[in-house]
Amino acid sequence: DQQVKQNSPSLSVQEGRISILNCDYTNSMFDYFLWYKKYPAEGPTFLISISSIKDKNEDGRFTVFLNKSAKHLSLHIVPSQPGDSAVYFCAATAGDGSGNTGKLIFGQGTTLQVKP
Amino acid sequence: NAGVTQTPKFRVLKTGQSMTLLCAQDMNHEYMYWYRQDPGMGLRLIHYSVGEGTTAKGEVPDGYNVSRLKKQNFLLGLESAAPSQTSVYFCASSYGTGGYEQYFGPGTRLTVT
Repeated sequence: DQQVKQNSPSLSVQEGRISILNCDYTNSMFDYFLWYKKYPAEGPTFLISISSIKDKNEDGRFTVFLNKSAKHLSLHIVPSQPGDSAVYFCAATAGDGSGNTGKLIFGQGTTLQVKP
Repeated sequence: NAGVTQTPKFRVLKTGQSMTLLCAQDMNHEYMYWYRQDPGMGLRLIHYSVGEGTTAKGEVPDGYNVSRLKKQNFLLGLESAAPSQTSVYFCASSYGTGGYEQYFGPGTRLTVT
């Protein structure tokens, strides 16, 4: 059972336009959501996170929106740049009976290509 | 600061052989994690540690063992490698949980023939 899903394996946008990456989840106990970016042959790097008590978090060109009722979050990149071309992973974490251990549940990833 | 380093970067094993992957971090983080990445499946947690001397199972722990004898090191062992363990392995560490980011190493590409 995939608790975090990224249903679009790939996305292609023109430089300067908006990129919207989507993520759906099933576990209502998730309390933090994170986006990671991954270049080939490198480890993932953190982009931005959002707490379940918020519906929006912004950091420069990156904004994450959370819709708890729909169990959906999205990452907006504006404006998109060729250097943003990478694989983007959505991830979620939840506390258990002894607290949050930081265990991340990842989506399958979306490959973003930004064309010059 | 080197951040999170992983040794080795590449390895080819034959079925039944054993090996240990080493992860080291120099950020004094309490939490450390081992993930594997397979095509189309994202990253899946194998084992994790919430502090020196502690380990716990993640989503896919079978066939792996771990140890955290020192705070800065987290070792992942394969006692008898199987072709299904062919994957890219990532180690990560973090200062805290919840919204704290995890810092990832560059990965180890393991092939089991």
